[in-house]
Amino acid sequence: DAGVTQSPTHLIKTRGQHVTLRCSPISGHKSVSWYQQVLGQGPQFIFQYYEKEERGRGNFPDRFSARQFPNYSSELNVNALLLGDSALYLCASSLGGGGTYEQYFGPGTRLTVT
Amino acid sequence: LAKTTQPISMDSYEGQEVNITCSHNNIATNDYITWYQQFPSQGPRFIIQGYKTKVTNEVASLFIPADRKSSTLSLPRVSLSDTAVYYCLVGAPTGGGNKLTFGTGTQLKVEL
Repeated sequence: DAGVTQSPTHLIKTRGQHVTLRCSPISGHKSVSWYQQVLGQGPQFIFQYYEKEERGRGNFPDRFSARQFPNYSSELNVNALLLGDSALYLCASSLGGGGTYEQYFGPGTRLTVT
Repeated sequence: LAKTTQPISMDSYEGQEVNITCSHNNIATNDYITWYQQFPSQGPRFIIQGYKTKVTNEVASLFIPADRKSSTLSLPRVSLSDTAVYYCLVGAPTGGGNKLTFGTGTQLKVEL
């Protein structure tokens, strides 16, 4: 079975631009969560979506938004990019919307903002 | 959410047993203890989860004393490929979401 997939693998953007990151969960998983990991730190929770509805939101500005599609894939959008948005963006999937700490992470998208 | 404290780094040699201890003094009654492993430029990987006493799987063991204020992840006979960052997470999975709260983790370095 394929694991969680993310695209693109790497991305370079300029300050002020917009970026869209994509995630496909493990087949059968209905929940997708997004995390931001800055170098040297642990991942920080951004969003969780379950059955196309937002289930949780971390302490990130409104420039960050996400959505989940009927096939349970998800997009993370970041507007007006700042240098501080440079990070590894991780997507994690799980079967249900709650009740588990066992999540499956993708390889991440490395975003560099110049 | 219960705050966790782990050593920033640990060094070991191949074939040795490694024990990483995590302190969580204000753990709540319904909190579980979960450990993740992360290799460079990869997403974290679930290792083990427990509530009390001892849990063992094919990868590791998790020891939790009766007061649950700390826990120890034990990796038997480590190899070079076990070099990674290990995160201890404490919290209660709820119907409201799957949010994971990561600290800075423990960087384990295994040498020959």
